[in-house]
Amino acid sequence: EDQVTQSPEALRLQEGESSSLNCSYTVSGLRGLFWYRQDPGKGPEFLFTLYSAGEEKEKERLKATLTKKESFLHITAPKPEDSATYLCAVKTSYDKVIFGPGTSLSVIP
Amino acid sequence: NAGVTQTPKFQVLKTGQSMTLQCAQDMNHNSMYWYRQDPGMGLRLIYYSASEGTTDKGEVPNGYNVSRLNKREFSLRLESAAPSQTSVYFCASSVTAGLLYEQYFGPGTRLTVT
Repeated sequence: EDQVTQSPEALRLQEGESSSLNCSYTVSGLRGLFWYRQDPGKGPEFLFTLYSAGEEKEKERLKATLTKKESFLHITAPKPEDSATYLCAVKTSYDKVIFGPGTSLSVIP
Repeated sequence: NAGVTQTPKFQVLKTGQSMTLQCAQDMNHNSMYWYRQDPGMGLRLIYYSASEGTTDKGEVPNGYNVSRLNKREFSLRLESAAPSQTSVYFCASSVTAGLLYEQYFGPGTRLTVT
């Protein structure tokens, strides 16, 4: 069965304390992986698309990487405004998109 | 550009009542989607429309119907609401469903069924 999991469920960081969020997947053929950011009471906002193992994308303090079984979202020197829930989603060879449950990130000043 | 808009933002229904959630996008996207989001679970696809004139079931279509009114608008109808349909509903759109284009989401409708 196609499945996407994310860890940890929640993460609390001090401002400036770098860390990584994990997205693991078991799917029948990966066509791409998406990362989204979701602020409370709002819809998800697109961050990155990764297509193949070894690929990396960066945006400000965020860097996403992809292997054959998982993706990491690295947050370098986070700021309070980076606090949000981060969602990953996988597109399978059947054109199905499966979302993970998300990681809730809190960055404390 | 407003992007993806949804109405209403909040709604409370009694069991058995019906309602329609409205969604519109102004990005000239071909594909539109309806998701529900529940605590501890990922977004789950209810229905999608790959292009104007077509609709298909997603992962959790039971209890819902959709209408792709035109290229801009995609509505979701609950014919007889049940407490299990209490959720946050998101509409999304993308350039096309067939390729790896990202989805753009609306702000959501928070629905409570009592």
